[in-house]
Amino acid sequence: NAGVTQTPKFRVLKTGQSMTLLCAQDMNHEYMYWYRQDPGMGLRLIHYSVGEGTTAKGEVPDGYNVSRLKKQNFLLGLESAAPSQTSVYFCASSYSDRTKETQYFGPGTRLLVL
Amino acid sequence: AQSVTQPDIHITVSEGASLELRCNYSYGATPYLFWYVQSPGQGLQLLLKYFSGDTLVQGIKGFEAEFKRSQSSFNLRKPSVHWSDAAEYFCAVGAWGNKLVFGAGTILRVKS
Repeated sequence: NAGVTQTPKFRVLKTGQSMTLLCAQDMNHEYMYWYRQDPGMGLRLIHYSVGEGTTAKGEVPDGYNVSRLKKQNFLLGLESAAPSQTSVYFCASSYSDRTKETQYFGPGTRLLVL
Repeated sequence: AQSVTQPDIHITVSEGASLELRCNYSYGATPYLFWYVQSPGQGLQLLLKYFSGDTLVQGIKGFEAEFKRSQSSFNLRKPSVHWSDAAEYFCAVGAWGNKLVFGAGTILRVKS
């Protein structure tokens, strides 16, 4: 039982390049989330998914797209990377959307955009 | 809108000393409150959570937190800090649909 895993762990991009971050969970969780973490700002929700094939915008969705083709996977895409997207990206999952449900976090992906 | 304030960016305590990390929240209804810890290079781990009932909540690793509605606070405490507690701590409030709103975090340094 690996929990929540993220690929890659670290990536350097040039401005304008694209990439996809992969999140996978093996807990059969329905809900999955992408956050970005910036110094002094905590974690902010980018997009989330309430089930296979459904996604929704969070607090800071601009410049990102997501897809949830399989229940266990949640992909975060950057179509044209910008230096402002330099951040640490965390994926999380939970069993339901009940507010008391614990969210389980992955180890993070550190992204540097030059 | 929901918000969380962690007034202290950095805190340094001596090993064996007591610890209190402050958290204030803004939320219109009864809040669901969480404390997470992030060790260097790691993801976030849940320390404890409060939904209702007893306002003093026990968590893992010897941590506890007290919910005070009158002060809109949910401070995290530990009676005796260990060097392994050095990490960044995040307070969060659960919004509708289980979306978490995080504070900016407090970095704890432990000196021997």
